[in-house]
Amino acid sequence: EVQLVESGGGLVQPGGSLRLSCAASGFTFSNYAMSWVRQAPGKGLEWVSTINRSGDTTYSADPVKGRFTISRDDSKNSLYLQMNSLRAEDTAVYYCAKFTGPYGGYGDYWGQGTPVTVSS
Amino acid sequence: EIVLTQSPATLSLSPGERATLSCRASQSVANYLAWYRQKPGQAPRLLIYDASNRATGIPARFSGSGSGTDFTLTISSLEPEDFAVYYCQHRSSWPLTFGGGTKVEIK
Repeated sequence: EVQLVESGGGLVQPGGSLRLSCAASGFTFSNYAMSWVRQAPGKGLEWVSTINRSGDTTYSADPVKGRFTISRDDSKNSLYLQMNSLRAEDTAVYYCAKFTGPYGGYGDYWGQGTPVTVSS
Repeated sequence: EIVLTQSPATLSLSPGERATLSCRASQSVANYLAWYRQKPGQAPRLLIYDASNRATGIPARFSGSGSGTDFTLTISSLEPEDFAVYYCQHRSSWPLTFGGGTKVEIK
């Protein structure tokens, strides 16, 4: 059974940093691209960032470029999102998603999400 | 950036009725489009990928069609668990984008 479990969310002040983690199990982690998708309170889904299977290529949405960094550790079956210079508009539930292919695709499995609140 | 526009924003229907949801892309995405269902308080679930293929475990009442810029998700007979929000997403190019969602509510 595929499982994705996010952690690391919480309350942080504007300008602060957080590191989200996603522990994966039930599939060959190193074969698939992985992504972060967020959802602000009462809003729709917003793609944040994707990393390919080998970890050498990443893509990020314009609102987070230069502030957020996606990475993976295949030895630990884990995905990460380092979030720096956080802003109020980054407040959202952050989902980890396994994508259908090695370089991208669609999210066929999702975690339960971890909430991030940016507020003073 | 490819913009996906979903319509209608809200669809009010009764259980057993047919639902037809639309997703229009600002430029061609070929058939690289997916549909998700999100129930309140839950993560999204992939329903349809590459416009017309049902994902694993998705019942036959869900079907997808379209190519280029116009896509449709059809639910042939609404079950209680289908009253939720539906999103489309393309994988044609970076950045990936989602549509704004269609809420299917009980009439």
